[in-house]
Amino acid sequence: QVQLVQSGAEVKKPGASVKVSCKASGYSFNGYYIHWVRQAPGQGLEWMGRINPNSGGTNYARKFQGRVTMSRDTSISTAYMELSRLNSDDTAVYYCARAGCRIVTGTCYSDYWGQGTLVSVSS
Amino acid sequence: DIVMTQSPDSLAVSLGERATINCKSSQSVFYSSNNKNYLAWYQQRPGQPPNLLIYWASTRESGVPDRFSGSGSGTDFTLTISSLQAEDVAVYYCQQYYSTPFTFGPGTRVDIK
Repeated sequence: QVQLVQSGAEVKKPGASVKVSCKASGYSFNGYYIHWVRQAPGQGLEWMGRINPNSGGTNYARKFQGRVTMSRDTSISTAYMELSRLNSDDTAVYYCARAGCRIVTGTCYSDYWGQGTLVSVSS
Repeated sequence: DIVMTQSPDSLAVSLGERATINCKSSQSVFYSSNNKNYLAWYQQRPGQPPNLLIYWASTRESGVPDRFSGSGSGTDFTLTISSLQAEDVAVYYCQQYYSTPFTFGPGTRVDIK
């Protein structure tokens, strides 16, 4: 069965960086985009970007460009999201999610989600 | 960027009654070449990740109860829960995946009256 397992909670100081991992299993990792979505406490869902695990190509939301780096290690079926220059507004649960269609078929919804990783930014 | 709006912000419905949530996109998310609307609905219960309910505006995800249905095209969409159950208490989000960034609506909270 498809599973996405994320790394554990992080506490960071303002100005620091955080790197969250998302280990995929139960399907062909290279065949499906991985999306990253975050949710601040009590707030809605915010799409951050996506990575094509096959090519490594990325699309980032304009808001995060210059601060976010999405990467992958295909040998261990793991995607990563690194966010730099953290501030208190970055306190949120960060989710990875798999696209529901193969990359070759185009853009798609997200069908499987990780459990979420809480990143807290505080001095 | 495509802006997604939802109405109402919240609603309370009696058990067994119908709940209707509306979602509007700032531009069409209908792709004429394949006749598909690039619109999904998710349910999020407290402390849980989102759960896919509906995709392509009206296709129910496997395992989702048939009391959930999606309709609409172009810029206006609706999620209907035909007979509200206690386990349906959650926040519901629409999302467009027509073009990046794949924006979400602000969410609609559904409670029991």
